[in-house]
Amino acid sequence: SQTIHQWPATLVQPVGSPLSLECTVEGTSNPNLYWYRQAAGRGLQLLFYSVGIGQISSEVPQNLSASRPQDRQFILSSKKLLLSDSGFYLCAWSRNSNQPQHFGDGTRLSIL
Amino acid sequence: ELKVEQNPLFLSMQEGKNYTIYCNYSTTSDRLYWYRQDPGKSLESLFVLLSNGAVKQEGRLMASLDTKARLSTLHITAAVHDLSATYFCAVTRLYYGGATNKLIFGTGTLLAVQP
Repeated sequence: SQTIHQWPATLVQPVGSPLSLECTVEGTSNPNLYWYRQAAGRGLQLLFYSVGIGQISSEVPQNLSASRPQDRQFILSSKKLLLSDSGFYLCAWSRNSNQPQHFGDGTRLSIL
Repeated sequence: ELKVEQNPLFLSMQEGKNYTIYCNYSTTSDRLYWYRQDPGKSLESLFVLLSNGAVKQEGRLMASLDTKARLSTLHITAAVHDLSATYFCAVTRLYYGGATNKLIFGTGTLLAVQP
């Protein structure tokens, strides 16, 4: 069976510090991978998606970047965090475009 | 631009009664998903609706899709406390030749079942 792992679960960072969130998927190959952000009490906003190693599409201009160094690894980064980067970050994967997306447990990021 | 709206945003339900959540979307879509989110938790996939008239049921939840009206409904039968959560619909629009489905999420509906 397939599993998706995200870490850390919770993160508190000062403004201006760097960020690295990691997501890995097990039990499948060449998945589609996604990063979403959920602001408090809001819906999810797609940030990045990837259909293969090194292939990243950005959905909204922002202070964040994503990378996919390996087939089942997806990383969300920032060089300098802003207060507005606070939120609940969710990684997701899907087998292909016809299948539902499956979400990781999320990372709750607080910027001080 | 594809937009997805849900209503109501909040629904206080009494145990044993029936309720419906509505999900409207603004442009033609290939498929519609329903997800459940418990407080502080991730999202759990409930249903995938692929065609006009599709109906899927799981326990006390039933989802349907009307692509002509661009409307999906999530019907709750005889609500129980365990159904308290936030429910999201999400719509995808495949791009011609695209290999991925980008989900556009609704605002979510917070369900609270009262005894």
